[in-house]
Amino acid sequence: AQSVTQLGSHVSVSEGALVLLRCNYSSSVPPYLFWYVQYPNQGLQLLLKYTSAATLVKGINGFEAEFKKSETSFHLTKPSAHMSDAAEYFCAVTKGPSGNTPLVFGKGTRLSVIA
Amino acid sequence: DVKVTQSSRYLVKRTGEKVFLECVQDMDHENMFWYRQDPGLGLRLIYFSYDVKMKEKGDIPEGYSVSREKKERFSLILESASTNQTSMYLCASSRTRASNQPQHFGDGTRLSIL
Repeated sequence: AQSVTQLGSHVSVSEGALVLLRCNYSSSVPPYLFWYVQYPNQGLQLLLKYTSAATLVKGINGFEAEFKKSETSFHLTKPSAHMSDAAEYFCAVTKGPSGNTPLVFGKGTRLSVIA
Repeated sequence: DVKVTQSSRYLVKRTGEKVFLECVQDMDHENMFWYRQDPGLGLRLIYFSYDVKMKEKGDIPEGYSVSREKKERFSLILESASTNQTSMYLCASSRTRASNQPQHFGDGTRLSIL
């Protein structure tokens, strides 16, 4: 079975600082991995996805994530935080090419950006 | 862009009522999903559907049922609402069953059961 652990339910950074949101996964087969963002009172939007192509994935709004199989990680980064990045971020995993299964989500990390 | 529309943003119902949450997608997607979102618990899958008149249980189906009579519409039904079903409900759709397809979400329905 697939599972996702997001380290830190709340992360706070200063405007202009590096954003690092951690995600570790567990999967019995090669996974597909996703990051979603949720702004207040909205649904989730896809930030980026890893589907076994390049291990460094670039997404929207300047975010990127690197798939590291040896560490079973898919951490989300952004070099310089903006106030508009304040939101909740969810990492999700599903079986890769070997299966068709729904996403399994982590519990989310709330990002606060301090002026 | 894909549009997933949930019929209500906010809903207040009483315990024991039968509650219907409606979701419509406009991109001819095969798959549709219902989640509930609670603080500290993330998103938990209630039911999903890969085709018309087809449904599969997710992780927390108890107390819920679903209906998919048309491809674009997926309804979540609370047969007899209880206070522990107070939550944010999110509907999503994806183009095909393939695991690399991203899900597109509606804005959610915040349901309160009094």
